[in-house]
Amino acid sequence: DIVMTQSPDSLAVSLGERATINCKSSQSVLYNSNNKNYLTWYQQKPGQPPKLLIYWASTRESGVPDRFSGSGSGTDFTLTISSLQAEDVAVYYCQQYYSTPRTFGQGTRVEIK
Amino acid sequence: QVQLVESGGGLVKPGGSLRLSCAASGFTFSDYYMSWIRQAPGKGLEWISYISSSGSPIYYTDSVKGRFTISRDNAKNSLYLQMNSLRAEDTAVYYCARHHYSGSFDYWGQGTLVTVSS
Repeated sequence: DIVMTQSPDSLAVSLGERATINCKSSQSVLYNSNNKNYLTWYQQKPGQPPKLLIYWASTRESGVPDRFSGSGSGTDFTLTISSLQAEDVAVYYCQQYYSTPRTFGQGTRVEIK
Repeated sequence: QVQLVESGGGLVKPGGSLRLSCAASGFTFSDYYMSWIRQAPGKGLEWISYISSSGSPIYYTDSVKGRFTISRDNAKNSLYLQMNSLRAEDTAVYYCARHHYSGSFDYWGQGTLVTVSS
C-alpha cells in the first residue's frame, strides 16, 4: 500500500498570509505513460463531506478559487493557499489514486492565527 | 445538480449486519465508477471499496475483505454496501462518492453514521 504522510498536522496562519501543506507518498504516483501525478487534494469543513480542490496534483477543480494551488511530482507534493481567508478554515487531505487501495494522508488542520 | 444521498446507517451490535444505500441523481449513474469511503469519529478518511460503472471490477481494502460487499443497480441509480460481521472499529460515517474522470472523487454524499456497539 502507498502510505501518504502530510505535514504539518496543523498550522495557524494570519488572514491574508500564505498557508503551505506538504504531502509525501511512500512511492511515486507519477504515471510515466501520461506524465501525470495521480494525487489529489480535498478540503473538509466541520460537519461536511470532503470537497475536491485539486486533481492530477496541480489541476484546480472547476469553481475552486485561484488562491488554491497544487504542485509537486513523484513523491513530494504541496498545497498552497496564497492568501488565507476565513472560509478556508478546514482540514485538508491529500490522496493518491495511482493504485488500490486508494490512500489518504492523515489530514492537516488549518486555523486562523 | 449531482446529488448522492446515503441511508441505512444506525446502531448495530458487534457481529451484526447493515446494508447501506446511496441514491444518485443529476447525472448518468451508469457512466461512473463509485466508491464507499468512511471516517471514524474525529479521524481521517479511509477508502473502503470501489465498483466500476458496469459492476466489475470491484476492489476492497484489506480490513473489510470478506465482510463487506459493494454492489450497484444502474436501473435504480443506486449503490449499496452490505456490511456483515461488524466490529467496533467499523464505527464511522460512511460516504458514497463519485469518481472524477481523473480518478479522484468529485462528488460526495453527506454520509450516514454506523455505530457498532453492544
